[in-house]
Amino acid sequence: NAGVTQTPKFHILKIGQSMTLQCTQDMNHNYMYWYRQDPGMGLKLIYYSVGAGITDKGEVPNGYNVSRSTTEDFPLRLELAAPSQTSVYFCASRPGRNTGELFFGEGSRLTVL
Amino acid sequence: SQKIEQNSEALNIQEGKTATLTCNYTNYSPAYLQWYRQDPGRGPVFLLLIRENEKEKRKERLKVTFDTTLKQSLFHITASQPADSATYLCALARAGNMLTFGGGTRLMVKP
Repeated sequence: NAGVTQTPKFHILKIGQSMTLQCTQDMNHNYMYWYRQDPGMGLKLIYYSVGAGITDKGEVPNGYNVSRSTTEDFPLRLELAAPSQTSVYFCASRPGRNTGELFFGEGSRLTVL
Repeated sequence: SQKIEQNSEALNIQEGKTATLTCNYTNYSPAYLQWYRQDPGRGPVFLLLIRENEKEKRKERLKVTFDTTLKQSLFHITASQPADSATYLCALARAGNMLTFGGGTRLMVKP
């Protein structure tokens, strides 16, 4: 039972480059989320999706884009990477809006130099 | 603005004692509150959920209280063990809205 799988686990980007962080879940959850975590700052919501074809902005969406073509996959795209995007990124999912716990992936540590 | 505060300083306790972690919030009326555990280099793992109309929830050695008057939740681990050492995150949400996370408190249980 894989749960939420994120790739890559680690990556180094140069300023101005672009990349996509992959997230897939095998629990048939409708709701999926992308968070970033900076030291001591808690998890900040970047984007979320309530189902295939539907996405919306979270608290800190600038510099990112998402798509949700299937229930399983929710990739996060970084365009024109900046040092401020150095962070650990977590993807999470849950069955519905008020159904309690989030299931998190193991994270993707991204460094922009 | 909404604010969730957890003690940013690490909590150090002796094995066998009860650990108590605090989550305070302001300008917020959450419908429910959750606690997560996060180990270094790993994603958060859900522990407990407590709703606004509940005062206390228990699960094995864990206990959570929720005081909407004080705007505070307390998270207790009884008979703590070194394996309980981790960072603990609280998260709040209004009904149907996104979860907002606190910064987490690191717990160190010494043998």
